[in-house]
Amino acid sequence: ETGVTQTPRHLVMGMTNKKSLKCEQHLGHNAMYWYKQSAKKPLELMFVYNFKEQTENNSVPSRFSPECPNSSHLFLHLHTLQPEDSALYLCASSYGQGTYEQYFGPGTRLTVT
Amino acid sequence: GESVGLHLPTLSVQEGDNSIINCAYSNSASDYFIWYKQESGKGPQFIIDIRSNMDKRQGQRVTVLLNKTVKHLSLQIAATQPGDSAVYFCAENTPNTGNQFYFGTGTSLTVIP
Repeated sequence: ETGVTQTPRHLVMGMTNKKSLKCEQHLGHNAMYWYKQSAKKPLELMFVYNFKEQTENNSVPSRFSPECPNSSHLFLHLHTLQPEDSALYLCASSYGQGTYEQYFGPGTRLTVT
Repeated sequence: GESVGLHLPTLSVQEGDNSIINCAYSNSASDYFIWYKQESGKGPQFIIDIRSNMDKRQGQRVTVLLNKTVKHLSLQIAATQPGDSAVYFCAENTPNTGNQFYFGTGTSLTVIP
């Protein structure tokens, strides 16, 4: 285990549903990340939070809404998603933002129907 | 934009042999690199990292080589074992792009018993 947990591990949702992904890290890290991993494509950085403040938003559609209530928890709120949003969503954390190794959770496999 | 690529999408090796996985990067300003291993159904797991002021770094059964002249990174796994079967990808960090990591698409390593 890496010290980063994600729930749920699998999620199937319709395009009109609203759901949330949860990430929790037990490592005392200050930076947390959301990534999208699609088949045969590199990991795509979505959002970065450093000390609870959002520092990066890589032109992510507004149907994805992140929330970071404290340095240990990160949420990704989903609404009116499209089938092309189906992917593995990975959460990661690191001591700080920048040249620090990132520890990944197991991911949430999302399927949008 | 950034480009991190792998020369071979798949690699098969005999158990006990050494494995070499390659990665090319395009930004000469990149100064920190990480190799990750991702097993099926799991998130990426940190293997080893290297900073640009080094050419070589060794871990347990793994060695990373950095050739800044040709912007090439390699991961060597000694005495490959069945448990090494996974997708391996490299990530580069470039300070002038907001300290984001850019990931390659990955090489799938299969170890033949």
